[in-house]
Amino acid sequence: DQQVKQNSPSLSVQEGRISILNCDYTNSMFDYFLWYKKYPAEGPTFLISISSIKDKNEDGRFTVFLNKSAKHLSLHIVPSQPGDSAVYFCAASGKGTYKYIFGTGTRLKVLA
Amino acid sequence: DARVTQTPRHKVTEMGQEVTMRCQPILGHNTVFWYRQTMMQGLELLAYFRNRAPLDDSGMPKDRFSAEMPDATLATLKIQPSEPRDSAVYFCASGLVRSKGLAVGYEQYFGPGTRLTVT
Repeated sequence: DQQVKQNSPSLSVQEGRISILNCDYTNSMFDYFLWYKKYPAEGPTFLISISSIKDKNEDGRFTVFLNKSAKHLSLHIVPSQPGDSAVYFCAASGKGTYKYIFGTGTRLKVLA
Repeated sequence: DARVTQTPRHKVTEMGQEVTMRCQPILGHNTVFWYRQTMMQGLELLAYFRNRAPLDDSGMPKDRFSAEMPDATLATLKIQPSEPRDSAVYFCASGLVRSKGLAVGYEQYFGPGTRLTVT
């Protein structure tokens, strides 16, 4: 049973436009959420996170939105750049646990 | 520039052979994780340690996989015997949990992975 789902395996966006990556979760005990970015032949790298006490967190071009009632989070990248082309994983963690549950990833391609 | 290192980066082996993957976590980190990346499952958690003690290895096939931390600078993942379905990229990650039971504000840092091919 996939507790964290990324239903779009891939996404293509024109350079300069907004990229929106989505993630759904099923476990209401999750209270911390993260996005990781992964380039080919490298390990995932941390991008941005959000605690369940917030509904938005912003860091430069990256903003994560959390809708707890819908059990949904999204990552917005504005403006998108070709260097943003990568696989993006969302992850979730519950209170009192150190482990993260990752989604299956969304491959973003930003077209120049 | 502290980073997680993994060896080997690539491993090709025949079915039935033993495979050992090694990980050096970031110095001072107190949690270590092993993940497997496959196309269908994304990043699957296999096992993790806190302060070198195994906390959860429920993601691993117990009959053939084993994970250990012989010391704070080395984590190992062993497959014996290996099978073609074990072919995947295996990642090690480490993190520093500052407060007991709190995941907030804690990040995992990933190594570059070991690409395993079992023929």
